[in-house]
Amino acid sequence: QKEVEQDPGPLSVPEGAIVSLNCTYSNSAFQYFMWYRQYSRKGPELLMYTYSSGNKEDGRFTAQVDKSSKYISLFIRDSQPSDSATYLCAIYGGATNKLIFGTGTLLAVQP
Amino acid sequence: SAVISQKPSRDICQRGTSLTIQCQVDSQVTMMFWYRQQPGQSLTLIATANQGSEATYESGFVIDKFPISRPNLTFSTLTVSNMSPEDSSIYLCSVSVQSNYGYTFGSGTRLTVV
Repeated sequence: QKEVEQDPGPLSVPEGAIVSLNCTYSNSAFQYFMWYRQYSRKGPELLMYTYSSGNKEDGRFTAQVDKSSKYISLFIRDSQPSDSATYLCAIYGGATNKLIFGTGTLLAVQP
Repeated sequence: SAVISQKPSRDICQRGTSLTIQCQVDSQVTMMFWYRQQPGQSLTLIATANQGSEATYESGFVIDKFPISRPNLTFSTLTVSNMSPEDSSIYLCSVSVQSNYGYTFGSGTRLTVV
């Protein structure tokens, strides 16, 4: 079983839609949960991070963590064409203290 | 957050040759990380480079194939040696400046081996 599993997509949504991106993880020892955004031909950039279960909001973006289910989500409200990118979930912690990434979900927001 | 300059941005190389990728950071950092990103796969950590010591390699990656230098706190190189088409990938360097989870990435080096 992979340590992090991410819905592969790709996703194509109309502008203004609500987008839901999801990952599951296997090890309950993981402590930090992150979402990175990667534009084409660019490196990943940290979008949001959370530490505990619950929601964290930043503008149109909401990160949600459910530690009991080992499930993390990123919601994008009022999606814009500029949100078109690959979104990668990442987790950190446990015995290895390494950043472990999901495979990424390619999102296309159509104007 | 740190700003990372990574060079070259892309290259096409003949099999059997080697390519050295450079990573320059605008601030001093203790650890630098090298990742590989293959199409349809997650970012995979190759090694962690600490200044003044040998790099620590992850399972499946060896120093002979991916030698790393870390001469100071702002610079590192990754060499992909004796390349084969299977080495075609994007290689990224990364640093953590403020915390364990605030990793900053370079723009990557897109390598094609023919």
